[in-house]
Amino acid sequence: QKEVEQDPGPLSVPEGAIVSLNCTYSNSAFQYFMWYRQYSRKGPELLMYTYSSGNKEDGRFTAQVDKSSKYISLFIRDSQPSDSATYLCAMSFNSGNTPLVFGKGTRLSVIA
Amino acid sequence: EPEVTQTPSHQVTQMGQEVILRCVPISNHLYFYWYRQILGQKVEFLVSFYNNEISEKSEIFDDQFSVERPDGSNFTLKIRSTKLEDSAMYFCASKVGEDTQYFGPGTRLTVL
Repeated sequence: QKEVEQDPGPLSVPEGAIVSLNCTYSNSAFQYFMWYRQYSRKGPELLMYTYSSGNKEDGRFTAQVDKSSKYISLFIRDSQPSDSATYLCAMSFNSGNTPLVFGKGTRLSVIA
Repeated sequence: EPEVTQTPSHQVTQMGQEVILRCVPISNHLYFYWYRQILGQKVEFLVSFYNNEISEKSEIFDDQFSVERPDGSNFTLKIRSTKLEDSAMYFCASKVGEDTQYFGPGTRLTVL
């Protein structure tokens, strides 16, 4: 069973839509959760970083973690064409010097 | 805003040749990482480095790979004898303390 599963999409939505991106994981030892945005042939750019179950909001972005279900989500409100990118979930066992384990990424297109 | 930089942006090499990929982490960061992403695949951890030594390495990081921090600013990844399957994007990342990892723009390595 793969450690981190993420629907690769592609996902296409109209401008202004609410987008929901999701990852599931199998190892309950993961405690820290991140969402990165990656434009084509560029490096991952950190969007959200959280470690507790519940919601964390930053502007149009909300990260949601449900540790009991081993499920994390990223919601994008009022999506813009500039949000078109691949969104990667990542997680780690602790906040120290530990590798990140990534999902495969979901490719999102926001159509004007 | 400080950022991780990487050079070159694109490296083309012949199979069997040695390559060195260079990274300048964010200046006050203490932990350094290399990841790779084969086209269409997940971002995969290669190695972590702290206090001038390797902290952890994945099974991908075999004897053909080495890392070095030759001075106070650069962090390098060397591949001694490149193979076709080493063709990928290579990302450097760094972090300080309990914050998460920040990624560079990547070096695209093409092995012919």
